[in-house]
Amino acid sequence: EDKVVQSPLSLVVHEGDTVTLNCSYEVTNFRSLLWYKQEKKAPTFLFMLTSSGIEKKSGRLSSILDKKELSSILNITATQTGDSAIYLCAVGERSGGSYIPTFGRGTSLIVHP
Amino acid sequence: GAVVSQHPSRVICKSGTSVKIECRSLDFQATTMFWYRQFPKQSLMLMATSNEGSKATYEQGVEKDKFLINHASLTLSTLTVTSAHPEDSSFYICSARDPRQSYEQYFGPGTRLTVT
Repeated sequence: EDKVVQSPLSLVVHEGDTVTLNCSYEVTNFRSLLWYKQEKKAPTFLFMLTSSGIEKKSGRLSSILDKKELSSILNITATQTGDSAIYLCAVGERSGGSYIPTFGRGTSLIVHP
Repeated sequence: GAVVSQHPSRVICKSGTSVKIECRSLDFQATTMFWYRQFPKQSLMLMATSNEGSKATYEQGVEKDKFLINHASLTLSTLTVTSAHPEDSSFYICSARDPRQSYEQYFGPGTRLTVT
């Protein structure tokens, strides 16, 4: 069973739409939740969340963590074709003194002009 | 931001040969590096955690003798795919943690391995 579950798996929208991507997790010793955008190659960092209820914002993107619900959302407003990518959620947990990251399967976002 | 390089970016090798992939942190010392594998349209699967000066910690199901990891210095980790087979063809990505920034990982650009 997946420890990090993202939904939806894929999403197709038109430019200007607003999208909300979800990430839920089930880990023992939660340390952080990270969002990444992956286009053709390696993921690029978007946000790191450690505290519940504090929204992080970068331009049209924003994200918030809900530790009670064990979930996070990533919002993208006024989407553009350049937002088309796979959005990955990763949860870091501490295990035996080490930091272990686990990735979700990602949400594939396609933005049509 | 911090930069991580990976070399080579693409490699094609014959079945039975070994391939070495390098991961370097360019402007910080990384005590921990991670190696991931990604199949087409799938997420990153953590293969192993590489700690400088000690043995790598492998995830369940990853063969230690097949995927040799060496983290010889604070800026370099290598992954060697030994006796490669076509099913090892994949996209391999490394990441490094910057100890100055808690939990942040910086990813290398990845290596596309094709085994013929």
